[in-house]
Formats: sequence, C-alpha cells, structure tokens
Amino acid sequence: DAGVTQSPTHLIKTRGQQVTLRCSPKSGHDTVSWYQQALGQGPQFIFQYYEEEERQRGNFPDRFSGHQFPNYSSELNVNALLLGDSALYLCASSFRHTLVTGAQETQYFGPGTRLLVL
Amino acid sequence: GDSVTQMEGPVTLSEEAFLTINCTYTATGYPSLFWYVQYPGEGLQLLLKATKADDKGSNKGFEATYRKETTSFHLEKGSVQVSDSAVYFCALTTNQAGTALIFGKGTTLSVSS
Repeated sequence: DAGVTQSPTHLIKTRGQQVTLRCSPKSGHDTVSWYQQALGQGPQFIFQYYEEEERQRGNFPDRFSGHQFPNYSSELNVNALLLGDSALYLCASSFRHTLVTGAQETQYFGPGTRLLVL
Repeated sequence: GDSVTQMEGPVTLSEEAFLTINCTYTATGYPSLFWYVQYPGEGLQLLLKATKADDKGSNKGFEATYRKETTSFHLEKGSVQVSDSAVYFCALTTNQAGTALIFGKGTTLSVSS
C-alpha cells in the first residue's frame, strides 16, 4: 500500500518565480492538507482540500494557492516567491468522515518537498 | 488562540535511559492530541494519539496520557534506543480549528550508545 508521495523532493528557485508542488494521497484517502515547515520549526497549516474545493485555510497570503484533482491528488502553487518561502513543504492525507462525529481523522504525511529560494 | 508548547531541546540521553518530553496545550473546546516523529531527512510519522481526557496513547514503547486538568500530554519511554534519535512534535486539533493540526516547535532527541 503506497503511502503519501510528493514531488519533486528538492527544488531551487529564485525570488519572484512561481513553483508547483505535487502530492498523491495514501490509497483510500480523499482529503489533502498542506503544511510549511521552516527550519527548526514545527509545521504550519496552509490549507486543506476535499472534494476539489479548499475547505480550510491557515494564515498564508493569496500567493499560496492549490488545487485538488478528481483522483484526489493535489498541487500547491506559490507565486512571486520570497526568500522567506524557503522551507520543507509537507503534504498530509486523510479520510474525511461523511458524518460529522467530532472525531478528528488522522493525517498521514509524505516525505516533503524542500524548496530553496535564492 | 490554540497553541502547543514543548520543552526545548536538544535532549541528549544514553541508551536505555528514561525519556520524558513535556507538552502542554491551550485550546478551546476538547482537542485531540498527537505525537509525531520526524527522522532525519524524512516526513512526519504519527507516533500516538489520544482523543479524550484520560486516554493513553501508546506505540513502540512510547506512551502519553491526555491530562485535561493540567492541559498536558507528556511523551515517555522507559528505555530509549539509538534508533529513537529524531525530532518529536506534539500537536492538536480542535473542532474550532477544523482538522488543521497545530504543532509545537519540536524537541530534538539524541541517543548515544
């Protein structure tokens, strides 16, 4: 059973450029969340996609956008890159319960994409 | 707002020593609590979780008990191994936060033989 996969593993960009990161969820999962992990810090939530729509968003500017495809895979796009965008970008997948039970579905993380902005 | 505070590292132990990593939280409502581990060069792996007060999560010899009265979820292991060297993250979700995980800053554990 394949876990969460992300591509590419590493990426180098220059300020002002745009970048697209990709994520394939764990088999059977329908929800994808993206996190940014700066060096020496804990991950910070960017947004979450379910049924091809952004369902929840953290405190990140509009330069960060995303997409979810019918096969549940997802992309994270960052425009007008800044030096401060250099980080490990983590994708997490989960299975959203169709009924709201109050139980929080467990999120499983991919290995991440390390982005360096010069 | 909701937040997680972990003890600062690094924590350096000898093999077979007892481990405690402290974690306290601030949250509205009734959070679910998690410990994730990140090995060098890898993503995060779920280590254990607890979804209500007094629940004990356990996995691979690690344990943590959800203490509502002290708003804590300390991670413990009776005898650490070199292979336990990693960064450990405490995290929570609440109904108010939706399903977004809120993480602490992480604690680096280094175990020597």
